[in-house]
Amino acid sequence: QVQLVESGGGVVQPGRSLRLSCAASGISFSNYAMYWVRQAPGKGLEWVALISYDGSNKKYADSVKGRFTISRDNYDNTLSLQMSSLRVEDTAVYYCATATAVAWDYWGQGTLVAVSS
Amino acid sequence: DIVMTQSPDSLPVSLGERATISCKSSQSVLYSSNNKNYLAWYQQKPGQPPKLLIYWASTRESGVPDRFSGSGSGTDFTLTISSLQADDVAVYYCQQYFGTPYTFGQGTKLEIK
Repeated sequence: QVQLVESGGGVVQPGRSLRLSCAASGISFSNYAMYWVRQAPGKGLEWVALISYDGSNKKYADSVKGRFTISRDNYDNTLSLQMSSLRVEDTAVYYCATATAVAWDYWGQGTLVAVSS
Repeated sequence: DIVMTQSPDSLPVSLGERATISCKSSQSVLYSSNNKNYLAWYQQKPGQPPKLLIYWASTRESGVPDRFSGSGSGTDFTLTISSLQADDVAVYYCQQYFGTPYTFGQGTKLEIK
């Protein structure tokens, strides 16, 4: 079955960097766009970034543009999010997700990023 | 950006009763070339990722019980649970995937009255 497993979260000081990963299995990873979505504690869902199936197209939310970089490795079936210049307001559970048909039908369990001094 | 606004924020409903959640978008999410509304509904239970319920505003995802239905077009949408079950207690989000930035409603917390 399809599995998306995030890793790399943790506690980090403001201004520092962190790299998240999402390992995909059970799908033809290279066929699908991938997404990062985050959820601050007790808050709603916020789309963060997308990358096209081949990595040629990337888009970001304004809140992370210039600080976060999304990438993928279609040989390793891995999605990444490089986060730099982290802010307290970046504290959230980060989910990777994909749309194998229409909307986002598969999600990982999420990884918690806490930005705190 | 397309702003998605849900109402109500919280909805107490008795078991077996109907639950209705509204979602309005600040601009149309109907794509004229294919006459499809780029609107999805998700269910999220505590400690879990969101689960896709409905896409194209009214198409039920495989495996989703038929008590869940979606309706609406353009800027006004509704998620209806025809007969509330205890397992339906969750936060429900609408989302537009018409274009980036993809945006979600603020969520509606459905609870048992």
